[in-house]
Amino acid sequence: NAGVTQTPKFQVLKTGQSMTLQCAQDMNHEYMSWYRQDPGMGLRLIHYSVGAGITDQGEVPNGYNVSRSTTEDFPLRLLSAAPSQTSVYFCASRRIPETQYFGPGTRLLVL
Amino acid sequence: DAKTTQPNSMESNEEEPVHLPCNHSTISGTDYIHWYRQLPSQGPEYVIHGLTSNVNNRMASLAIAEDRKSSTLILHRATLRDAAVYYCILRDAYYGQNFVFGPGTRLSVLP
Repeated sequence: NAGVTQTPKFQVLKTGQSMTLQCAQDMNHEYMSWYRQDPGMGLRLIHYSVGAGITDQGEVPNGYNVSRSTTEDFPLRLLSAAPSQTSVYFCASRRIPETQYFGPGTRLLVL
Repeated sequence: DAKTTQPNSMESNEEEPVHLPCNHSTISGTDYIHWYRQLPSQGPEYVIHGLTSNVNNRMASLAIAEDRKSSTLILHRATLRDAAVYYCILRDAYYGQNFVFGPGTRLSVLP
């Protein structure tokens, strides 16, 4: 198993650009989520999904969209990037109600 | 989800035991206590979790107070690779979809 994979590893955007962060898991987990981590802080939940076709907002959803068309994939879209979205983004998955597996992260810099 | 309180940082010498405390005075009867750690430049990884009884696995031990208002993660022999941020998280067994990460404890291991 590859576990949870994320692409790209690093991205630089200009303010106003849009992009999609990719997340995939091959463990057939129902639950997937996106977190952001700012320097020196813990992770904050952006959006999550309990299964294909079902998504919900987390603590900091503004400026981000998600969709879950398959069990394996959970992309995160930045609609119009802002410098405040400079962060490290982590995708995670788990079988409800078991422990969570995290991806390696995507470092995003918005200029 | 109930909140947890952890020291900001701790230091340990290599090959000595480490006791990482966590206070959770408002824990409910169905909250599981989870510990994750985050090595530098990586996503968080699962360490251990428990409900009422002490738990052991190959990575660590979890000691839970009788009143469940506090717990301690025990690393029996710290290695340099154990230097990480350790997160103590409560999650309801039935309704807790999400993990809420605080700032955690940054553990430094001295050679």
